[in-house]
Amino acid sequence: SQQGEEDPQALSIQEGENATMNCSYKTSINNLQWYRQNSGRGLVHLILIRSNEREKHSGRLRVTLDTSKKSSSLLITASRAADTASYFCATLNTGTASKLTFGTGTRLQVTL
Amino acid sequence: DTAVSQTPKYLVTQMGNDKSIKCEQNLGHDTMYWYKQDSKKFLKIMFSYNNKELIINETVPNRFSPKSPDKAHLNLHINSLELGDSAVYFCASSKTRTDTQYFGPGTRLTVL
Repeated sequence: SQQGEEDPQALSIQEGENATMNCSYKTSINNLQWYRQNSGRGLVHLILIRSNEREKHSGRLRVTLDTSKKSSSLLITASRAADTASYFCATLNTGTASKLTFGTGTRLQVTL
Repeated sequence: DTAVSQTPKYLVTQMGNDKSIKCEQNLGHDTMYWYKQDSKKFLKIMFSYNNKELIINETVPNRFSPKSPDKAHLNLHINSLELGDSAVYFCASSKTRTDTQYFGPGTRLTVL
């Protein structure tokens, strides 16, 4: 079965609000990565967080990782209409280097 | 100066035909990948090459054959196309097997 499960499947917020997406996984990981995909486009890498890290920031993005709970969250602060996209978490498992396993994705809609 | 490029962007063909998708990266990366994204947006790895050597081959029908003529190129040839092959195919590359993966824009394959 797929490694990552994301929650919620869809999220609709207004511009300026914060958006939080969660990802759960099942096995030990080397790192966890978050990607964004705009409709009909390719994936854009957002953040990579290693298994020994707990939190990373990049601009308006904040990612946390709790390896004891096998979960991660992506927080987008002060959202903009341009943030509308699907967001995927992907885990690089230990022992299977280079095999990224993607979650089901969260569809984020930011309205004006 | 596109990092990972794929051609063609769209491919419409009849069942039973043979087709190829080309991928090139100018990032100097050692590892390249092919992913398939189905109609439900689920992304799954198909193949991975490291320095022209096949390192991942996920239960993909042998109608699919990747070829890596050099480190910068990874092509995907598909024989005897079937309706179920319709999907978006993404090429990606990474510096090493555990680094961030950078994705191409995708090739939307439609089999009629």
